Amino acid sequence: NAGVTQTPKFQVLKTGQSMTLQCAQDMNHEYMSWYRQDPGMGLRLIHYSVGAGITDQGEVPNGYNVSRSTTEDFPLRLLSAAPSQTSVYFCASRIRGGGTLPGWELFFGEGSRLTVL
Amino acid sequence: RKEVEQDPGPFNVPEGATVAFNCTYSNSASQSFFWYRQDCRKEPKLLMSVYSSGNEDGRFTAQLNRASQYISLLIRDSKLSDSATYLCVVKNQFYFGTGTSLTVIP
Repeated sequence: NAGVTQTPKFQVLKTGQSMTLQCAQDMNHEYMSWYRQDPGMGLRLIHYSVGAGITDQGEVPNGYNVSRSTTEDFPLRLLSAAPSQTSVYFCASRIRGGGTLPGWELFFGEGSRLTVL
Repeated sequence: RKEVEQDPGPFNVPEGATVAFNCTYSNSASQSFFWYRQDCRKEPKLLMSVYSSGNEDGRFTAQLNRASQYISLLIRDSKLSDSATYLCVVKNQFYFGTGTSLTVIP
């Protein structure tokens, strides 16, 4: 029962390097999203997608790119890493649509800890 | 202005105490609300949804006040295992509050 799987769990980059954080879900969820979590800032939405081929910006999209070529995968790309992007990144997914019924909540991956030197 | 505002705490309470957290939101059109729990260095997990009429799950009670645009979480008879960060969530695009840290002390 995999749920939402993020890789890598830990990564250290140098300023200016690029990398991709991978996210995959096996629950056939249409909605997927990326958050970053910094001390005292809570979770801030970076990008989200309501289905394959559709992406949109969240609260803090600058410096990040996403694509959604399949329902299962939603990678997050850092094109030129900066120390300000040091954070814990969470991918999450859910059924598309409204409501608060059981099963409609966001399901999170275990997080990816990124350090940019 | 942030979509969701939450008192970060920390709240340090003795076992058995009752503690309440509030969370305000800015978009009056928001329809769905949740409370998530996050343990240290773990991912957030759903604690409970918040229904218009208020709802209870064991020692936990969630309330919604649309007129004043806030949601609340009440924890009765606090246990050591309740120590965590509690995040309120407003679903337009699932905006999270900053989280309220709770430590229950023996």
